[in-house]
Amino acid sequence: AAGVIQSPRHLIKEKRETATLKCYPIPRHDTVYWYQQGPGQDPQFLISFYEKMQSDKGSIPDRFSAQQFSDYHSELNMSSLELGDSALYFCASSRAVGQGSLDTQYFGPGTRLTVL
Amino acid sequence: AQKVTQAQTEISVVEKEDVTLDCVYETRDTTYYLFWYKQPPSGELVFLIRRNSFDEQNEISGRYSWNFQKSTSSFNFTITASQVVDSAVYFCALSGGNTGTASKLTFGTGTRLQVTL
Repeated sequence: AAGVIQSPRHLIKEKRETATLKCYPIPRHDTVYWYQQGPGQDPQFLISFYEKMQSDKGSIPDRFSAQQFSDYHSELNMSSLELGDSALYFCASSRAVGQGSLDTQYFGPGTRLTVL
Repeated sequence: AQKVTQAQTEISVVEKEDVTLDCVYETRDTTYYLFWYKQPPSGELVFLIRRNSFDEQNEISGRYSWNFQKSTSSFNFTITASQVVDSAVYFCALSGGNTGTASKLTFGTGTRLQVTL
């Protein structure tokens, strides 16, 4: 079965540089979520999109922005990178199944970002 | 606000032992969903099981079973006859269902399970 695809898998950047992470959801999934997992920590929700519209926002820095495109893939743009942005960034996707119900989020393999 | 507590930070067992991972949650949502995810050393997050708040029936799936008790807000996960490949960090997660779509996951801090020969 097709899974969530994330690219790149590894990324090394210098401080103050920019980075773009890409996520391709499972086919027919219309909802995308981004999470950040620091070393030894649990994943923290950043932002989500449903049908190309932002649906929820978590602890995402103002230096970060994201969008979902017409083909449902999503990109997370990170500017003015700081050392503390070094983390594993996960994308997850799910299907919207209607009010009062929820489909399972399936995660991609993650992008490991290292800021030097 | 939603909260998930995994009091066990690390558990070590010998292969073939049964092991139970504890999870306690807090939520004000009347409908919610509970999940267990596994994160092996390779780093990916693998979905294991899911339970809806309106269904307290406990089930067994292969070597996995879970005990959901609304009265104590607990969602414990048991691996029977553990194997070395079960070594991973296990996360319990909670999602509110009242909004219907795009409901974020709130994770616990994880329990690291080490299974040795």
